[in-house]
Amino acid sequence: KQEVTQIPAALSVPEGENLVLNCSFTDSAIYNLQWFRQDPGKGLTSLLLIQSSQREQTSGRLNASLDKSSGRSTLYIAASQPGDSATYLCAAGATDSQGGSEKLVFGKGTKLTVNP
Amino acid sequence: KAGVTQTPRYLIKTRGQQVTLSCSPISGHRSVSWYQQTPGQGLQFLFEYFSETQRNKGNFPGRFSGRQFSNSRSEMNVSTLELGDSALYLCASSLSPGGSSYNEQFFGPGTRLTVL
Repeated sequence: KQEVTQIPAALSVPEGENLVLNCSFTDSAIYNLQWFRQDPGKGLTSLLLIQSSQREQTSGRLNASLDKSSGRSTLYIAASQPGDSATYLCAAGATDSQGGSEKLVFGKGTKLTVNP
Repeated sequence: KAGVTQTPRYLIKTRGQQVTLSCSPISGHRSVSWYQQTPGQGLQFLFEYFSETQRNKGNFPGRFSGRQFSNSRSEMNVSTLELGDSALYLCASSLSPGGSSYNEQFFGPGTRLTVL
């Protein structure tokens, strides 16, 4: 059974700092990995999708990497801003070996606060 | 291009009642997935519909059901509501079905269900 873990659960940094959010998964047989942002009481905003054959993706100040062999993905945020404050979730696209379901398995998220 | 829309945004029901939630995907998207989000369990996969057929199903009781119409709009139904069903219900749409490495999911704002 695929399990996704995100550490730390919460992170507070000063504005302008570069930071890395971590995501680990137990089964390397994933078909993709997606990073999302969630603001309080809102839905999820897709940030980056890394296909299983890719090693990284970049969008503006965000860079996500994927290492399937070690079961890890990182989200790098450059020059953080107060507007980046949100909960960041990673999700591994996985096939449930018991039920055969193909689905996103989510971590519990990292709550990021960027202080002005 | 309009995003994923969900109605209603908020619902209050009592135990034993039933509820129907609606999701309209991004135009052209044929896959709709449903997730339940609670503080304790995080985001959990309910089911996925693609071209009016349920492709994948998570580990939820039969009280949770869904369907998809020919225009790709989807509804989720929960019968005999329990207190533990209180949650944020999110739907996501994508061009391709689950299991594809291109399966980038875009989420709606969610429906907040409170069961009293």
